Amino acid sequence: GEEVAQTPKHLVRGEGQKAKLYCAPIKGHSYVFWYQQVLKNEFKFLISFQNENVFDETGMPKERFSAKCLPNSPCSLEIQATKLEDSAVYFCASSQSRDRGLEETQYFGPGTRLLVL
Amino acid sequence: DAKTTQPPSMDCAEGRAANLPCNHSTISGNEYVYWYRQIHSQGPQYIIHGLKNNETNEMASLIITEDRKSSTLILPHATLRDTAVYYCIVRVGGTGNQFYFGTGTSLTVIP
Repeated sequence: GEEVAQTPKHLVRGEGQKAKLYCAPIKGHSYVFWYQQVLKNEFKFLISFQNENVFDETGMPKERFSAKCLPNSPCSLEIQATKLEDSAVYFCASSQSRDRGLEETQYFGPGTRLLVL
Repeated sequence: DAKTTQPPSMDCAEGRAANLPCNHSTISGNEYVYWYRQIHSQGPQYIIHGLKNNETNEMASLIITEDRKSSTLILPHATLRDTAVYYCIVRVGGTGNQFYFGTGTSLTVIP
């Protein structure tokens, strides 16, 4: 597609439950990024993928968070045993490979709003 | 540590130019400056980016100082639809590298 798609738009979980978020990058984009926006203006990088391989996971919490991008499937971000502080908007972004000589701009999806009660 | 600092808020009269400043005094030679905006709680929208030369596109102009320690985003004729939070971001060149978002400037365009 021509836009990054994220599902669901909203997700409500009780504390301790699992949450799974999905992202379909723009067709032809080989890089996928996940960011967390907790407070209104603060973005935190979580992880990036080059195709199905983890490129940079320096922002991922060591526990409870995992992510994957498998061929022919949407990418996913999973939070095991959610906590109140996981409440945030999770944005996915994608970009094209630099090797094609194209822009490295990241295109963001509309986000998934996770509320942990 | 924040890589960029921006004023938290600004107002601009409709039809006038909006000049949004950003300080990135610790920027390194291989880091680009990007500007995005976020309208309400939508996904960030790309505006413009540059390395050391001034850039212009259909949305805005980007002026980067010679020492690259600061930059200014210029919206030449602000409209009400430009009301948004504007983020100045630095990022090491390379497609897979993360964005370091600042806290942004909330721009309000006043009729």
